[in-house]
Amino acid sequence: AQSVTQLDSQVPVFEEAPVELRCNYSSSVSVYLFWYVQYPNQGLQLLLKYLSGSTLVKGINGFEAEFNKSQTSFHLRKPSVHISDTAEYFCAVRPGGYQKVTFGTGTKLQVIP
Amino acid sequence: GAVVSQHPSWVICKSGTSVKIECRSLDFQATTMFWYRQFPKQSLMLMATSNEGSKATYEQGVEKDKFLINHASLTLSTLTVTSAHPEDSSFYICSAIAAGGSYEQYFGPGTRLTVT
Repeated sequence: AQSVTQLDSQVPVFEEAPVELRCNYSSSVSVYLFWYVQYPNQGLQLLLKYLSGSTLVKGINGFEAEFNKSQTSFHLRKPSVHISDTAEYFCAVRPGGYQKVTFGTGTKLQVIP
Repeated sequence: GAVVSQHPSWVICKSGTSVKIECRSLDFQATTMFWYRQFPKQSLMLMATSNEGSKATYEQGVEKDKFLINHASLTLSTLTVTSAHPEDSSFYICSAIAAGGSYEQYFGPGTRLTVT
């Protein structure tokens, strides 16, 4: 079984400041890793994903994440946030060869003007 | 590409009635669709996996007789909440995996169900 831990339920940050949203996972098999963003009353939009290869993954809207196998982490970062980045962010894992995705509990990013 | 729609986006129904939610893949064929439920300020909880032409696989604790899922075609899956009660009020999200693809899930915009 897999599990995903997002330690921070809320992260307030001032506009144009950098941000890091933390994600740790556990799994007995190799997994693919994802970050999704959800705006109020909307579905999920894929920000980025790690399937294989380079451990630094770049996504949409200026976000990037780094896969660290030894620390079983996949933290999401952005060097300078905008008001429009205010949303809920979900980290997720999927075992290779399987379809089911396990989501973390989410981190609400609040960008302060 | 890879657009998933849901209809309706918002529905209010009276306790005891049934409501159907549609999930469509607009520009691809989806052999597998997933139905999630999301309570306020919580994560997505997988309810069931729906495969075209076969019975849905429900997660533990989900009542299959209450949440009827039909995946009649490669582009349409429906979730029917039968005899709805206020505790069924939630945000329901579907996702779809493209046939022959990399298992990447494309999510619909969600349906807000309020049972009065």
